[in-house]
Amino acid sequence: QKEVEQDPGPLSVPEGAIVSLNCTYSNSAFQYFMWYRQYSRKGPELLMYTYSSGNKEDGRFTAQVDKSSKYISLFIRDSQPSDSATYLCAMRLAGAQKLVFGQGTRLTINP
Amino acid sequence: DAGVIQSPRHEVTEMGQEVTLRCKPISGHDYLFWYRQTMMRGLELLIYFNNNVPIDDSGMPEDRFSAKMPNASFSTLKIQPSEPRDSAVYFCASSPTASPYNEQFFGPGTRLTVL
Repeated sequence: QKEVEQDPGPLSVPEGAIVSLNCTYSNSAFQYFMWYRQYSRKGPELLMYTYSSGNKEDGRFTAQVDKSSKYISLFIRDSQPSDSATYLCAMRLAGAQKLVFGQGTRLTINP
Repeated sequence: DAGVIQSPRHEVTEMGQEVTLRCKPISGHDYLFWYRQTMMRGLELLIYFNNNVPIDDSGMPEDRFSAKMPNASFSTLKIQPSEPRDSAVYFCASSPTASPYNEQFFGPGTRLTVL
């Protein structure tokens, strides 16, 4: 079993829809949770970052962490074609530099 | 800042050949990471350095892979001999110690094809 599980998709939704992306993990010691966005033929770039449990909102994006369920989510409101990309969750232990990534979910927003 | 620079961007080689991938991290970043990305396995950490010293190489698949960081502005990942199963996109990333999020900044990647 992988430490971090993420449905690779692909996921295709119409423009304006609310998108929900999720990851589950097995190591309860993870403390820092991130979402990276990767456009085609590019390197990943950090999109959202949260520490421990709770929600964090940034514009149309909301990241949620439920440590009791070992489950993290990324919500995209009013999705745009420019949001079409692969979204990777990542997490790490406190004090560690090493990130453990999910496999990534490929998302397409259709105009 | 130019960001993380990787070369070559594409590499096609034949099985058994030596392959060398190069990375220039962002100036002032203390950490450098090498990743491999495939459809089947996703993004995997191969090795990372702190202040030019290898810290964790547990992700290096086998002895055919080696990585060096001779100075703060240059790192190489070498595969010798290469095999078709090494075909993947290899990313280099760097991170500053002072970053509150330990954000890793990725390069554009090297797409390696081993025939």
